[in-house]
Amino acid sequence: ETGVTQSPTHLIKTRGQQVTLRCSSQSGHNTVSWYQQALGQGPQFIFQYYREEENGRGNFPPRFSGLQFPNYSSELNVNALELDDSALYLCASSFAGEDTEAFFGQGTRLTVV
Amino acid sequence: GENVEQHPSTLSVQEGDSAVIKCTYSDSASNYFPWYKQELGKRPQLIIDIRSNVGEKKDQRIAVTLNKTAKHFSLHITETQPEDSAVYFCAASEPGAAGNKLTFGGGTRVLVKP
Repeated sequence: ETGVTQSPTHLIKTRGQQVTLRCSSQSGHNTVSWYQQALGQGPQFIFQYYREEENGRGNFPPRFSGLQFPNYSSELNVNALELDDSALYLCASSFAGEDTEAFFGQGTRLTVV
Repeated sequence: GENVEQHPSTLSVQEGDSAVIKCTYSDSASNYFPWYKQELGKRPQLIIDIRSNVGEKKDQRIAVTLNKTAKHFSLHITETQPEDSAVYFCAASEPGAAGNKLTFGGGTRVLVKP
């Protein structure tokens, strides 16, 4: 069983609100990546954090932002929520280096109404 | 940026038959190709991966092949069982010292009929 945990598991927000999702990486992992998975689609890369800095970003607007803390845990913040932001948000942790396996958390199901 | 196409989107097979899922990618710099299995309501789990310096890899009933020239890779599941029913995703990643940034295909829903 992977050690990546996410909170909360489910969340309902109103359009225009802001949300913070949290991810605790697996022990020994220092890189966290966030993905958005819309219903029936593959995960889409949002951004990656390494050494507390953003290290690469996918095609997502600036209202998607994040943080990584000294213990390598991470937050994903989304401002001005839109209906299309409804999705499963997955974080994946790995140890820095090429070709290292990414371990996914169970995800946070965000519904925007 | 990288683009990964995956086919078919759904696949129904009889128990014991083989299943094949194919993916193509666009960025020749990609060098790591994992496959994930995602059961309903659960997290994606890595089932097999292949690096660009390898053409084929096998793990029990699962095998993956990679053709770098043609920029496509495939997942083969032999002797399928009902517990193989799930959504399978291929992905590609470019080199990165901090870890992989995965571009996923759209997924293949596999149904194994008893």
